[in-house]
Amino acid sequence: AQTVTQSQPEMSVQEAETVTLSCTYDTSESDYYLFWYKQPPSRQMILVIRQEAYKQQNATENRFSVNFQKAAKSFSLKISDSQLGDAAMYFCARIHNAGNMLTFGGGTRLMVKP
Amino acid sequence: DTAVSQTPKYLVTQMGNDKSIKCEQNLGHDTMYWYKQDSKKFLKIMFSYNNKELIINETVPNRFSPKSPDKAHLNLHINSLELGDSAVYFCASSQGHLNTEAFFGQGTRLTVV
Repeated sequence: AQTVTQSQPEMSVQEAETVTLSCTYDTSESDYYLFWYKQPPSRQMILVIRQEAYKQQNATENRFSVNFQKAAKSFSLKISDSQLGDAAMYFCARIHNAGNMLTFGGGTRLMVKP
Repeated sequence: DTAVSQTPKYLVTQMGNDKSIKCEQNLGHDTMYWYKQDSKKFLKIMFSYNNKELIINETVPNRFSPKSPDKAHLNLHINSLELGDSAVYFCASSQGHLNTEAFFGQGTRLTVV
């Protein structure tokens, strides 16, 4: 089975500080896409950032950036200048060629302390 | 306007009943999905569907069936509900390419008593 693993069930960060959420994955495909989704208490799933596996450059979206290590199959999310509104569940996911379905990791609950 | 909408948002029902959850997207996407999120927040794909192909996750019981009256709708029918079916069910849609974002509905919390 092709899996996605998030080893940190919970993380905590002080407001304005930086935090990194870890994700590793398994795949037999050479080209694929990886995503980080945020799920606040409202339950809505919101795309944070995406990474194309064939691109060497790490994706960046404002305060959010990734550290993509293809050989190690690692895809971590860095949140800079953390804000109270960043508190949520964060899910790492990869997409499958067949049916474009997402396989999610187990999630990391991020708490932001004022 | 809501991009992907699901109804109802909450559903409480007894074991053995049959229920449906409706999903509509107004994004013009060609592929729709159903995901299940269990009590531990684990999200798992159930179905992927476009007008050409239905892909079913092999772990989904055949009591669950997607029905698509048209490209903008993918409803989820569940027969003979069991306690273990209690979860949040998310509908999503995308343009069907690997790099496109999947847009999610707000979820339906199903409670089977």
